[in-house]
Order: sequence, then C-alpha cells, then structure tokens
Amino acid sequence: RKEVEQDPGPFNVPEGATVAFNCTYSNSASQSFFWYRQDCRKEPKLLMSVYSSGNEDGRFTAQLNRASQYISLLIRDSKLSDSATYLCVVTPNTGGFKTIFGAGTRLFVKA
Amino acid sequence: DVKVTQSSRYLVKRTGEKVFLECVQDMDHENMFWYRQDPGLGLRLIYFSYDVKMKEKGDIPEGYSVSREKKERFSLILESASTNQTSMYLCASSDRWGAQNQPQHFGDGTRLSIL
Repeated sequence: RKEVEQDPGPFNVPEGATVAFNCTYSNSASQSFFWYRQDCRKEPKLLMSVYSSGNEDGRFTAQLNRASQYISLLIRDSKLSDSATYLCVVTPNTGGFKTIFGAGTRLFVKA
Repeated sequence: DVKVTQSSRYLVKRTGEKVFLECVQDMDHENMFWYRQDPGLGLRLIYFSYDVKMKEKGDIPEGYSVSREKKERFSLILESASTNQTSMYLCASSDRWGAQNQPQHFGDGTRLSIL
C-alpha cells in the first residue's frame, strides 16, 4: 500500500460546481498535512495547510480525519483557473524530515 | 516571499557527462530537497539535507550525489548522465520549527534532457 494515496482523476466539472478530493495516508503517527497545487509544466505551490479542526481559505476548505486517516479538499464555485493537479502532502512524525507527496488528482474545470 | 532559484530552466547534456544542477534559497531555511518528477510517477525524492554538509538519501539516490557547502545552496550532481535521467528536476526548501517541518517551497524546476 502506498504511504499516501489519491484518486488520480481526472475530475471534469463545469464552472460553478463544487468538487471534493480525498487523500488517505497509512502512517497513523503523521504530523503535518498540506495541499499543494501544480499547474501543467510548473512547480508545485502550497495551497493550504490542513489543521486538525479543519480550515477554510476563501472557496477552499480542508479537513483532517485522523481516525480514518484521510484529508480532504473541497473547492466551491469552481473557476476555470482552478484547473490543475492537486497534491496531498503528509509529513510523518518519525523524527526525520521526509515529506511524502501523493501522485496528485487532476482537475479540469470547463466553461 | 520565499525564493528558491534553480540555475537553469532547460538543459541538454550528453550521455556520460557530469551534470551539475544548482539551487539557491534566500530564506535561511534549514532543509533542502531534490526531487525528480516524471509523468505518472509523481514526485520522487532523490536526496535531502537538513543542515550544512549533511545529506540523506531519498527514495532514488542511485546515479546522483549532492553537495551542501553553504546553507543557502544545494547542488545535485549526475556523476555520469544516462538517458533514463531525462526528467524534470525540482529543488525545494523548508524551515524547521523544533521537530516540526514547515511546508516546502519549490523552485521553477529544470527540464533536463540527456541525449
């Protein structure tokens, strides 16, 4: 089993739709969680951190479920510019510095 | 804003050449990382460093080495380039608060082609 798993998609949604991505992780001692966004042929960029109580940044909401070992990202009122690959990122609490990136979920938002 | 700068956006080299990829960050970050990214395989960690002169192997270190002589600079070296090392190479850096690692910030990437 992969340490971090994401549905690769692609998700094809119309503008204005609400879309949700899930990501599961295998290490129950994982400590820090993030969502990154990567545009085609560009570098990954931090979208938001994920906190235990859940957090929101404009149209984006991130949630953490430690009991079931998954994190989620909800995008409301999708825009064409949201089209990208979304990477789930987990840092295990092993005392080391290794960060694990999911393979990404591809999103296409269409007019 | 964090700035991670990679020396080249595009690079073409020949099989057997020694190749240097340079990365500089301007935020005094403790940790620096080198990844490669290939279609369908996602980001794979080659090497990382958590301090000057310190280095740790990632998931795919074979055929690569690294150097961190100064805190702001982390170099990736392909000892003898081969065609299967054609890829997008991404450098990243992150801060460390105690034992907790902060998010990584990436450079623009270097598209390396080995002919």
